[in-house]
Amino acid sequence: EAGVAQSPRYKIIEKRQSVAFWCNPISGHATLYWYQQILGQGPKLLIQFQNNGVVDDSQLPKDRFSAERLKGVDSTLKIQPAKLEDSAVYLCASSLGTAEAFFGQGTRLTVV
Amino acid sequence: QKEVEQNSGPLSVPEGAIASLNCTYSDRGSQSFFWYRQYSGKSPELIMSIYSNGDKEDGRFTAQLNKASQYVSLLIRDSQPSDSATYLCAFSGYSTLTFGKGTMLLVSP
Repeated sequence: EAGVAQSPRYKIIEKRQSVAFWCNPISGHATLYWYQQILGQGPKLLIQFQNNGVVDDSQLPKDRFSAERLKGVDSTLKIQPAKLEDSAVYLCASSLGTAEAFFGQGTRLTVV
Repeated sequence: QKEVEQNSGPLSVPEGAIASLNCTYSDRGSQSFFWYRQYSGKSPELIMSIYSNGDKEDGRFTAQLNKASQYVSLLIRDSQPSDSATYLCAFSGYSTLTFGKGTMLLVSP
């Protein structure tokens, strides 16, 4: 069974530029999560989808971050414009409902 | 605001010892509890899930849940240097999956 796929693995951008991350969840997983993990901290939930509907986006900085999940499968997370403090690893995870969640390899973003 | 509290460590144990990792959570509606292991530079990997009060054993790992005390723990028996990692506690209620900051475990040979 294929795991959660994310791309790119690494991205370096200048502040004020835009960036997008892509995630393909495990087949059949209705729930998809985007987390931000800053070095030395636990994952912080940015947005959670159930199929293509948003369950929770309370911690998503909506002035600069956006996310979508078209057709309830793949998802993209976008940052525009990026700030230095957005440097982090962006993790995508998927699960069947609220059961065990499985993570992709993550995208390491560096904003300079 | 749902919160998960973990001692950040590092927790240092010698090889072969029992490592005990603890976690408390604030949301009494939580139903599912998970332990993830995260090696440096890698993404979190699920190692244990527990849904009811009591103990759950899987190989060298034992998860313990006490919903009345809002407490969950992970015991690692016969600790190995390869167990050195950050251990993240997580819980979910009816919706979101919330993580703690993690406890770093160092197992010395």
